[in-house]
Amino acid sequence: DTGVSQDPRHKITKRGQNVTFRCDPISEHNRLYWYRQTLGQGPEFLTYFQNEAQLEKSRLLSDRFSAERPKGSFSTLEIQRTEQGDSAMYLCASSLDAPNSGVDTEAFFGQGTRLTVV
Amino acid sequence: AQTVTQSQPEMSVQEAETVTLSCTYDTSENNYYLFWYKQPPSRQMILVIRQEAYKQQNATENRFSVNFQKAAKSFSLKISDSQLGDTAMYFCAFMNGAQGGSEKLVFGKGTKLTVNP
Repeated sequence: DTGVSQDPRHKITKRGQNVTFRCDPISEHNRLYWYRQTLGQGPEFLTYFQNEAQLEKSRLLSDRFSAERPKGSFSTLEIQRTEQGDSAMYLCASSLDAPNSGVDTEAFFGQGTRLTVV
Repeated sequence: AQTVTQSQPEMSVQEAETVTLSCTYDTSENNYYLFWYKQPPSRQMILVIRQEAYKQQNATENRFSVNFQKAAKSFSLKISDSQLGDTAMYFCAFMNGAQGGSEKLVFGKGTKLTVNP
């Protein structure tokens, strides 16, 4: 296992189109997180899963955004009717346990999918 | 809501010297975790160091150490013997420590560190 994998690495789309990104976490990790990072900013939390259950969603995740993690393995993040403001790097991370569980656990990040909406 | 502030957008240091990156945070929680992440150009973010708020001892990882001042809500990162490979964006991050609580990381805006030969 080579770590968290995200696909595609880059996506250019026209405004109004739908896009879907995929994240493959480290195989035994039950936690999976999505973050969005815009230029000059730190990553902002979008949502996270424990296995297949989506436990928390940020208010940033408007109704045009949906995330799934069927069978608790890979996850997809879909953006419908893309807008120019959706242009960003979308980061996925996974961890074996909750990083705030008291156990020395770590969230591992993928390289991200860079979305450009034109 | 928790906030994380990194007041140094960019810093530079000569190879082999020491540099300190600043981070302050705001929270009403007593139990939490603090992290420094490194994001090299076009590479994924990796964890540099982690500190549990209930621990008084400052965390260290080889050339990386932190100065955790809980009362001042300050969490600075010291990099000793800087190497060219340390060139990266560095993000300070906060996570609530409540059992069963939110697992989201709250990040600062980052500090771009350049190590010069």
